[in-house]
Amino acid sequence: KAGVTQTPRYLIKTRGQQVTLSCSPISGHRSVSWYQQTPGQGLQFLFEYFSETQRNKGNFPGRFSGRQFSNSRSEMNVSTLELGDSALYLCASSLRDSTQETQYFGPGTRLLVL
Amino acid sequence: AQKITQTQPGMFVQEKEAVTLDCTYDTSDQSYGLFWYKQPSSGEMIFLIYQGSYDEQNATEGRYSLNFQKARKSANLVISASQLGDSAMYFCAMKAIYKLTFGKGTLLTVNP
Repeated sequence: KAGVTQTPRYLIKTRGQQVTLSCSPISGHRSVSWYQQTPGQGLQFLFEYFSETQRNKGNFPGRFSGRQFSNSRSEMNVSTLELGDSALYLCASSLRDSTQETQYFGPGTRLLVL
Repeated sequence: AQKITQTQPGMFVQEKEAVTLDCTYDTSDQSYGLFWYKQPSSGEMIFLIYQGSYDEQNATEGRYSLNFQKARKSANLVISASQLGDSAMYFCAMKAIYKLTFGKGTLLTVNP
């Protein structure tokens, strides 16, 4: 079974631009979560989607948004990029994301904002 | 709110020796899951081991075992017979409702 895939793997943008990152979960998984990883703040939860509905959201400004499609693929969008948005963005999938379920991560998208 | 504390920013171990990575947690939830992930320099998060809050036995997965002490709210990872490929960042995480909360991580270096 193929793992979680994320595209693109690397991205360079300038301040003020917007960016869209894509995540395809493991086949059959309906929950997709997004995390931001920076050296200063560590790993922080962005949001979680299940069956096209956002069920939980982290403490991030409204510039960060996401969505999930009927095939469970998910995208996250960051508008009006700031230098501090430079980070590794990780996507994870699970079947239903119950408390006992493991989230499996993709390779991540490294975003550099200049 | 959930909180995970990893007090060891870095650890060194000799190849073939065992090493324990510490993790303590805080939560008011009765049902939760505890996870350990490994992150090599490539960046991908690799799942290692899981322990449920109601599990009475400590979890084991090959060379990995989880020393779960519920009363002390600790979930330490034990890696037996360390290998050079074990050099990486290790994160302890707790699962509550629809999200994982991570600790700051421990950078493990295995010396030959």
